[in-house]
Amino acid sequence: DTGVSQDPRHKITKRGQNVTFRCDPISEHNRLYWYRQTLGQGPEFLTYFQNEAQLEKSRLLSDRFSAERPKGSFSTLEIQRTEQGDSAMYLCASSLLGSGGETQYFGPGTRLLVL
Amino acid sequence: DAKTTQPPSMDCAEGRAANLPCNHSTISGNEYVYWYRQIHSQGPQYIIHGLKNNETNEMASLIITEDRKSSTLILPHATLRDTAVYYCIVKSGGSNYKLTFGKGTLLTVNP
Repeated sequence: DTGVSQDPRHKITKRGQNVTFRCDPISEHNRLYWYRQTLGQGPEFLTYFQNEAQLEKSRLLSDRFSAERPKGSFSTLEIQRTEQGDSAMYLCASSLLGSGGETQYFGPGTRLLVL
Repeated sequence: DAKTTQPPSMDCAEGRAANLPCNHSTISGNEYVYWYRQIHSQGPQYIIHGLKNNETNEMASLIITEDRKSSTLILPHATLRDTAVYYCIVKSGGSNYKLTFGKGTLLTVNP
């Protein structure tokens, strides 16, 4: 257990529905990241926050995706109008800015299946 | 970030040392070498990282060549639970924040 938690761990939804995932980072960590992993591939960066500010979004993050980190603590990732191609593992990680090299610690992930 | 090259798969006998190589010939002076592993259906687990010197922790040792163009992750006494995909990642500190994962090496530890 790294101290990063994600909820839910699994989500099955029908195409067109909206889904929201939550990530609780390690408490003192000021950076939070979202990654997506499809079958057989390594995780791919989606977006990251420094405190409450979203500082970068990958081109993978279409307009249907939105992420928030109110108050710089937990974060949510929402997918609107889900598509079958959104089926993947969504991973959250956190790190402490300024800690030499800045190691990211990952949560267990949320596995999404869009039917 | 510099690109890394790893073998797609390796086998190791239980109880023996597992030596996982990684090439990163274009690494820059301020870039760290990170190793993560991912056991099936779990999130990536941080193992170790280093800049120039060799590093050791309770999980593994990291040997970085003097020219920093390659490194080796050593699991000294592999167990069946070490079967996983191992990712070698090069990342600069500070403002360059994201990890770029390749396909990694699938290490299979055999009884």
